[in-house]
Amino acid sequence: KAGVTQTPRYLIKTRGQQVTLSCSPISGHRSVSWYQQTPGQGLQFLFEYFSETQRNKGNFPGRFSGRQFSNSRSEMNVSTLELGDSALYLCASSSTGVSTDTQYFGPGTRLTVL
Amino acid sequence: AQSVTQLGSHVSVSEGALVLLRCNYSSSVPPYLFWYVQYPNQGLQLLLKYTSAATLVKGINGFEAEFKKSETSFHLTKPSAHMSDAAEYFCAVSDFTGGGNKLTFGTGTQLKVEL
Repeated sequence: KAGVTQTPRYLIKTRGQQVTLSCSPISGHRSVSWYQQTPGQGLQFLFEYFSETQRNKGNFPGRFSGRQFSNSRSEMNVSTLELGDSALYLCASSSTGVSTDTQYFGPGTRLTVL
Repeated sequence: AQSVTQLGSHVSVSEGALVLLRCNYSSSVPPYLFWYVQYPNQGLQLLLKYTSAATLVKGINGFEAEFKKSETSFHLTKPSAHMSDAAEYFCAVSDFTGGGNKLTFGTGTQLKVEL
């Protein structure tokens, strides 16, 4: 089975712009989660989608949003980019979305905001 | 809410020596715990997980971890370090407050393996 794929792998934007990141989960997986990784804050949970519904959201401003499509693919959007949004954004998928489920991570999208 | 604490942001061992990476958890309910590894410029790869079955969990690449409720610990060990083990290691707990499937991670431990 193909793993979790994320596109693009690298992205450079300027402050004030918006960006959309894409994640394709492992085939058959219905849960997709997003995490932000920075040197200062570590790995932080952004949100999780299951069957097109957001089930949980981390402590991030409303500029961060996401959605999931009927084929389980997910996108996250960040509007009005700030320098502090520079990070590695990781997407993870799991098959059933229960707490014991393994989350499989993609390689991430490295976002740089100038 | 559940949380994990990783003691030691950097650990250095000699090749062939024991690897011990520490993780303590805080949870009001029986936790589900995970260890992930991250190599440079890559995502996270699952090493092993504890989901309340056997307390000694064996994972990939010779790693194992023991769940100790009395010590609220889930330390990761490997008997003999290899150069290829150099990476960053994250302990995580499945945090189901608020519903859904969410991992709360520790701050990570960078493992260096020296000749």
